[in-house]
Amino acid sequence: AQKVTQAQTEISVVEKEDVTLDCVYETRDTTYYLFWYKQPPSGELVFLIRRNSFDEQNEISGRYSWNFQKSTSSFNFTITASQVVDSAVYFCALSQDLISNFGNEKLTFGTGTRLTIIP
Amino acid sequence: DTAVSQTPKYLVTQMGNDKSIKCEQNLGHDTMYWYKQDSKKFLKIMFSYNNKELIINETVPNRFSPKSPDKAHLNLHINSLELGDSAVYFCASSQGWGNSYEQYFGPGTRLTVT
Repeated sequence: AQKVTQAQTEISVVEKEDVTLDCVYETRDTTYYLFWYKQPPSGELVFLIRRNSFDEQNEISGRYSWNFQKSTSSFNFTITASQVVDSAVYFCALSQDLISNFGNEKLTFGTGTRLTIIP
Repeated sequence: DTAVSQTPKYLVTQMGNDKSIKCEQNLGHDTMYWYKQDSKKFLKIMFSYNNKELIINETVPNRFSPKSPDKAHLNLHINSLELGDSAVYFCASSQGWGNSYEQYFGPGTRLTVT
């Protein structure tokens, strides 16, 4: 069975501070995919990034960066110079390998981290 | 243009009623999903359809019945509503088969059962 743990339930930081959201996953598959989604107060879920298990390169997109480390089964998300618009619930998610789990592919979400940026 | 749309956005109804939530995607995606998000924000998949065929059917009461008339639509019908069904229901779609593809979510339908 696969599992995603986001141990930080809520985080509050002052605007312009950097903040890292932790994500730890468990899976028996060698091929898998990791995702981050953002859910702002308006409620919709917005895709941020997808990473496959064979690509451990860190990724940077503007103020967002992701650190994938297979050795620690972690896929952490850092926001640099946070802004009020970053306030949201952030979900980390894991999907199973298609071939070995044919017919049972599904996206398993963590419980989310509520990030509040204080102006 | 809205990529994944759901109607209604809010649904308030009494226990025992039957209700439907509609979902449409105009992205040309092959796969569609229904998720339930409870009051603690926990997201759990309910169903997945690929090219109108049911692929994933999680442990969901059989009062919930999805229907996919075509690739662009996946509706959710709920019979004999119960208080515990109160939640936000999200429809999503993805380009390809399997979960290596990112999913695009609808705005959600907040269902309140009184």
